[in-house]
Amino acid sequence: DQQVKQNSPSLSVQEGRISILNCDYTNSMFDYFLWYKKYPAEGPTFLISISSIKDKNEDGRFTVFLNKSAKHLSLHIVPSQPGDSAVYFCAARASGSARQLTFGSGTQLTVLP
Amino acid sequence: GAGVSQSPSNKVTEKGKDVELRCDPISGHTALYWYRQRLGQGLEFLIYFQGNSAPDKSGLPSDRFSAERTGESVSTLTIQRTQQEDSAVYLCASSLRAGGPYEQYFGPGTRLTVT
Repeated sequence: DQQVKQNSPSLSVQEGRISILNCDYTNSMFDYFLWYKKYPAEGPTFLISISSIKDKNEDGRFTVFLNKSAKHLSLHIVPSQPGDSAVYFCAARASGSARQLTFGSGTQLTVLP
Repeated sequence: GAGVSQSPSNKVTEKGKDVELRCDPISGHTALYWYRQRLGQGLEFLIYFQGNSAPDKSGLPSDRFSAERTGESVSTLTIQRTQQEDSAVYLCASSLRAGGPYEQYFGPGTRLTVT
């Protein structure tokens, strides 16, 4: 049972345009959400996070939106750059004693020059 | 400063053999996590250590998997009697503390192939 779902395995966007990556979750105990970026042969690197008490967090070109009622979050990258091409993972952490992250299956973003 | 390091970067082993994977976390990070990523899938939690507390082993898929950590330093993940379904990239991560707003920093992973 996948608690964090990224339904789009891939996304292609033109350079300079907006990239929108989506993530859905089912566990209402999740209270902290993160996006990681992964290049081939490297470990995931942290990108941006959001607490469940917020609905938006912005860091430069990256903005994460959280819709708790829909159990949906999205990552917006604007403007997209070719160096943004990577696999993006959505991750969530539950409140309480759990400390590990639950990851989605990832979305391969390709930014075309 | 130095990030999380893992060794070996690649490991090919025959079915039935034991393997040991190593992780060196970022100095000062009290929490350490092991995940694995099978081909085309997301990261799957295996185990985490927080300081001197008992580790959370809830993600280990079978008793063939075990992990140890000495204090707040190196960790080793051991897989006994490897099976082909154990083939995956094994990722280690560390964070300043477990939970809260503390991001996990990942190593490059060990790609394990069981033939």
